[in-house]
Amino acid sequence: GAVVSQHPSRVICKSGTSVKIECRSLDFQATTMFWYRQFPKKSLMLMATSNEGSKATYEQGVEKDKFLINHASLTLSTLTVTSAHPEDSSFYICSARASSRGGNEQFFGPGTRLTVL
Amino acid sequence: GNSVTQMEGPVTLSEEAFLTINCTYTATGYPSLFWYVQYPGEGLQLLLKATKADDKGSNKGFEATYRKETTSFHLEKGSVQVSDSAVYFCALSPSYGNNRLAFGKGNQVVVIP
Repeated sequence: GAVVSQHPSRVICKSGTSVKIECRSLDFQATTMFWYRQFPKKSLMLMATSNEGSKATYEQGVEKDKFLINHASLTLSTLTVTSAHPEDSSFYICSARASSRGGNEQFFGPGTRLTVL
Repeated sequence: GNSVTQMEGPVTLSEEAFLTINCTYTATGYPSLFWYVQYPGEGLQLLLKATKADDKGSNKGFEATYRKETTSFHLEKGSVQVSDSAVYFCALSPSYGNNRLAFGKGNQVVVIP
């Protein structure tokens, strides 16, 4: 149990376009989802915390108008990179915390590799 | 604030060697501690965890003991395999607030046949 999926796993887009990444908890309900960005050979950087039915909380330095996060249901959160540019190329990973399990464990998705040309 | 420190640099070792990756933390209260593993091109997988002092987490031959007195959670494996080559992240989750994970910088482990 506690499986998190991401779609797409890999996306290549032209500069100026918008890209949507989906994060789904497949077998549990997640009141909280987290979005991370990982640069090559670097640790994960938390971008934002997403709570179902409310606005996301963004970390300092993360542009909320560029990285739009929607957490419309207990099993789905989306990250939209608007007007993407080459510097947005990165590995984006989501995680989810199970509301029913209590505790504080996060379950991670497999990640989405974004390449902006 | 909460933070996690991992030893610097990649780790290269031969198959069947003993692996240790050091992890120390700074936190208030009683955080939960985790080791995550990331294989090339993939997301993070939980390797093991410990939720209170003196707990030992173990999985796939890896072990780590929650040491409150030394604020450490070192990862060990007695005999590594080539398939253990990956990046290992130590992390903590505080016992309060929204439980945001604080990650260490990660250690690349390369096991040579």
